[in-house]
Amino acid sequence: AQTVTQSQPEMSVQEAETVTLSCTYDTSESDYYLFWYKQPPSRQMILVIRQEAYKQQNATENRFSVNFQKAAKSFSLKISDSQLGDAAMYFCAYRFLFQGAQKLVFGQGTRLTINP
Amino acid sequence: NAGVMQNPRHLVRRRGQEARLRCSPMKGHSHVYWYRQLPEEGLKFMVYLQKENIIDESGMPKERFSAEFPKEGPSILRIQQVVRGDSAAYFCASSPLPGELFFGEGSRLTVL
Repeated sequence: AQTVTQSQPEMSVQEAETVTLSCTYDTSESDYYLFWYKQPPSRQMILVIRQEAYKQQNATENRFSVNFQKAAKSFSLKISDSQLGDAAMYFCAYRFLFQGAQKLVFGQGTRLTINP
Repeated sequence: NAGVMQNPRHLVRRRGQEARLRCSPMKGHSHVYWYRQLPEEGLKFMVYLQKENIIDESGMPKERFSAEFPKEGPSILRIQQVVRGDSAAYFCASSPLPGELFFGEGSRLTVL
């Protein structure tokens, strides 16, 4: 079964510093996508970054980057120059196709606090 | 291009009542997914629908829950005879398959 594990329920970082959120997943698939979603207090799910499993190059979106280790099934998110607006729940998610349906499996989430 | 629209944003029901949550996908999207988020947890898949068809309902509770996506109008998630354990945020997502899932802002159901 596909599972996603986020082992850090809470993390905090000083404003302008760098923080890394961990995520591991379990799958036997070779073709899949990985995502990090941000959920601020408004509760909306906002896509932060995505990674295609077939791509070796780590995805980067401005201050957000990932460290994708396919063999280790690890997908961590690095936030550089943390800003107060980065405070939110962060969910790692794994997506695969199953019988024509896109299945998105989420981790338990990491609550990120930014200290001014 | 409007995003995924969900309503109501907040719904309060007493035990035993019915809850109806609506989702209008993004324009051009014919695939709708419903997810449930319990407090302090990640989103859990419930059901995947295309127009007039339920494709995968493996995440739906067997009783009291149903979903539809008619040819015209929004997708509806219906919960009959609600219980306190149904209190959660219900998220709808739409996509053009294959492609990204775009999430709505969620509907928060509170059962008194």
